[in-house]
Amino acid sequence: AQSVTQPDIHITVSEGASLELRCNYSYGATPYLFWYVQSPGQGLQLLLKYFSGDTLVQGIKGFEAEFKRSQSSFNLRKPSVHWSDAAEYFCAVGPYDYKLSFGAGTTVTVRA
Amino acid sequence: DTAVSQTPKYLVTQMGNDKSIKCEQNLGHDTMYWYKQDSKKFLKIMFSYNNKELIINETVPNRFSPKSPDKAHLNLHINSLELGDSAVYFCASSQEVLAGREQYFGPGTRLTVT
Repeated sequence: AQSVTQPDIHITVSEGASLELRCNYSYGATPYLFWYVQSPGQGLQLLLKYFSGDTLVQGIKGFEAEFKRSQSSFNLRKPSVHWSDAAEYFCAVGPYDYKLSFGAGTTVTVRA
Repeated sequence: DTAVSQTPKYLVTQMGNDKSIKCEQNLGHDTMYWYKQDSKKFLKIMFSYNNKELIINETVPNRFSPKSPDKAHLNLHINSLELGDSAVYFCASSQEVLAGREQYFGPGTRLTVT
């Protein structure tokens, strides 16, 4: 079975500072990996995805993520956060039995 | 153009009532999903249809019944609503589910049962 762990429940970062969100997964084969963002009161929006190829993936809103097979990780980064990046971030892995497994999410707070 | 839409956005109702949530996608996808997001933001898959065939049916009370009249629509009917059903329900869609394609989410329906 597949699973995703997001070790950080809540991260506070200053505007303009860098951000890194951790994601560790368990999957029996080469995974498909995703990062989604959920702004307050909104649905989930796909930030980026990894299927194969280059392990450094670029996404929308200036985010990138790096797939590290040896560490079973897919961490999300942004060099300089904006106040609008305050949101809930979800890592997901799949598919297994048609499903994606989502992590519990990391809440990002941006302080001025 | 809205890719995945849900109606209504908010739903407030009393215990024991029956309610439905509708979902439509205009992406041409062949697979649709219902998720429940609880107060702690945890996302739980409930159902999925692929080409109108039920492919995921998680451990969900049988008061919840999905219906897919065609590939573009997936509705969720809930009978005898209970307080614990209060949550945000998300519809999503994807193409070629076995290929691991990304899912596109609707804006959510916040259900409050009083």
